[in-house]
Amino acid sequence: GAVVSQHPSRVICKSGTSVKIECRSLDFQATTMFWYRQFPKQSLMLMATSNEGSKATYEQGVEKDKFLINHASLTLSTLTVTSAHPEDSSFYICSADRGGEKLFFGSGTQLSVL
Amino acid sequence: GENVEQHPSTLSVQEGDSAVIKCTYSDSASNYFPWYKQELGKRPQLIIDIRSNVGEKKDQRIAVTLNKTAKHFSLHITETQPEDSAVYFCAASMGNFNKFYFGSGTKLNVKP
Repeated sequence: GAVVSQHPSRVICKSGTSVKIECRSLDFQATTMFWYRQFPKQSLMLMATSNEGSKATYEQGVEKDKFLINHASLTLSTLTVTSAHPEDSSFYICSADRGGEKLFFGSGTQLSVL
Repeated sequence: GENVEQHPSTLSVQEGDSAVIKCTYSDSASNYFPWYKQELGKRPQLIIDIRSNVGEKKDQRIAVTLNKTAKHFSLHITETQPEDSAVYFCAASMGNFNKFYFGSGTKLNVKP
């Protein structure tokens, strides 16, 4: 199956700092990647669609200036949480489209903002 | 956008019994419906999926049914085992760009 790698798996940062999360498709090229956010015991909420070589498309209610997405290559998308605050603490998970219908998920990043 | 609702939020069954989880969706343009199993702190794993041109699909102890007219689909797990305990999510997608919308999840507890 397709492999999607996500780093870091866990990050703790101080309030006001920025955190970058990487999502890589290891054995396939992904023109489209997706970023989800999951609060404890809740569902995965789509934050944005990351398109290689173009601007990301954000879901309603998601601040694009706070959650910066860059998809500079066919195998890498990054999510930067800028000026993080405790309410940004969450499980962030990426997924990649290999070209078919199935979605392949990264292993997730647990962000804790102190 | 699409709205996916999932019930129940928690389900507790005895080992060997069957478990059924139900989802409804709002947009008739959705045509792909996967089910994911997620263990605590881990990535969702695809366990079964169904396309809108099929009414039922089975894979060993797991089956999924789809009613396009009513816009609902269900996951059926037979002969449940303790290792089936996890959170299950349904999702709906309109295809091409694989924009998935997830249900709220069902925590399944299989008691030995």
